Amino acid sequence: AQKITQTQPGMFVQEKEAVTLDCTYDTSDPSYGLFWYKQPSSGEMIFLIYQGSYDQQNATEGRYSLNFQKARKSANLVISASQLGDSAMYFCAMREGDQAGTALIFGKGTTLSVSS
Amino acid sequence: DTGVSQDPRHKITKRGQNVTFRCDPISEHNRLYWYRQTLGQGPEFLTYFQNEAQLEKSRLLSDRFSAERPKGSFSTLEIQRTEQGDSAMYLCASSDQGGTSESTDTQYFGPGTRLTVL
Repeated sequence: AQKITQTQPGMFVQEKEAVTLDCTYDTSDPSYGLFWYKQPSSGEMIFLIYQGSYDQQNATEGRYSLNFQKARKSANLVISASQLGDSAMYFCAMREGDQAGTALIFGKGTTLSVSS
Repeated sequence: DTGVSQDPRHKITKRGQNVTFRCDPISEHNRLYWYRQTLGQGPEFLTYFQNEAQLEKSRLLSDRFSAERPKGSFSTLEIQRTEQGDSAMYLCASSDQGGTSESTDTQYFGPGTRLTVL
């Protein structure tokens, strides 16, 4: 079974609208971390936001927020007020356990296209 | 504070040749990771260093692959006798033991080296 599932291969949104990118995860470890990265066409993976499994509140970073529903094992990324520069590939990733130095497990990504 | 850098950005080689990639992590980051990303997929973990010690290797890292981090700063990834299946983007990431990212151990990625094996 896949550890990280991103079911939306592509999403389309107009400028200034909000968009939600879906991510579900699968782990039996009680301690884990969830990350979202943005990958523009240039290739660099840009860290956006982090949510720890024990965090009581949903993470927010500027226009990015993470809708964390632990019981459903979902960690959806919400981008508010989309901009043309948000057009990119978005990856959800998980680190299992609480040991530093653990590899990230990535989903297959969602391509976001923002139009004017 | 400069980010993670990788060199070269692109490499085209013929099957059977050896290639070497370099990664310079964020200064003072003691953890360094290599990932491989093929078209349409997310990155897959290859190997991890803490300082100069290689602490974890994925089963994806066949015996044709070798990685080093001799002085605990930059790292190299060498692929011997390249095959067409090695064509991919090779990404390097680093993270910091201590500092503001301690609780998350956030990995920061470089721009990647895109390898094409003809």
